[in-house]
Amino acid sequence: DIQMTQSPPSVSASIGDRVTITCRASQDLGNWLVWYQQKSGKAPNLLIYKASSLQTGVPSRFSGSGSGTDFTLTINSLQPEDIATYYCQQAYSVPLTFGGGTKVEI
Amino acid sequence: QLQLQESGPGLVKPSETLSLTCIASDASITASGYYRDWVRQSPEKGLEWIGSLYYNGDIYYNPSLKSRVTISGDTSKNQFSLKLNSVTAADTATYFCARRGSRTNMSVIPGTEVWGQGTTVTVSS
Repeated sequence: DIQMTQSPPSVSASIGDRVTITCRASQDLGNWLVWYQQKSGKAPNLLIYKASSLQTGVPSRFSGSGSGTDFTLTINSLQPEDIATYYCQQAYSVPLTFGGGTKVEI
Repeated sequence: QLQLQESGPGLVKPSETLSLTCIASDASITASGYYRDWVRQSPEKGLEWIGSLYYNGDIYYNPSLKSRVTISGDTSKNQFSLKLNSVTAADTATYFCARRGSRTNMSVIPGTEVWGQGTTVTVSS
């Protein structure tokens, strides 16, 4: 199985800050990496696919980068509605696997 | 816009079978290039992929659960189901059904765009 390691597990930031979350895969994924946002009590919501493609309707302050084994999700100018837990997931092979999540707090 | 809804018992006894159904609002759940997924989430294990039913009928299971899992589809009713047998407390989780695009099909988004709201299943006597 491909192991996905996210860091940090949690981050505390202020409104307007830039937040960076990293995800490392145990093997080369190419660009088959997805980012989700999950708010409390809700299902995950797709933010980024193919490492850097922004899903329709997602604010442009979200961006993704990276390839191979190292990936980054950046939130530029953090907003109150961005408070959530963020997960990476490899879409390269089954079994699909997720990172442990990064909780973003104010 | 496709919507998914999980249904099934919220409490299952140890050693019994957990059975859930996902009801889709329309037939796009079986459109070309898409998987019908089951994913679960618990504080202990985080998000865990259980298995997928591809539009062409291929089925994939997480090896960690493969011996206990069955996923099946009923296209006439726009439904698909999950059965997990011999459950233990470790199977207590929120279970999600979802539709995910295949990375091998250039016409779809290679990610999970549509999720059910999730249903909490507790394994306890």
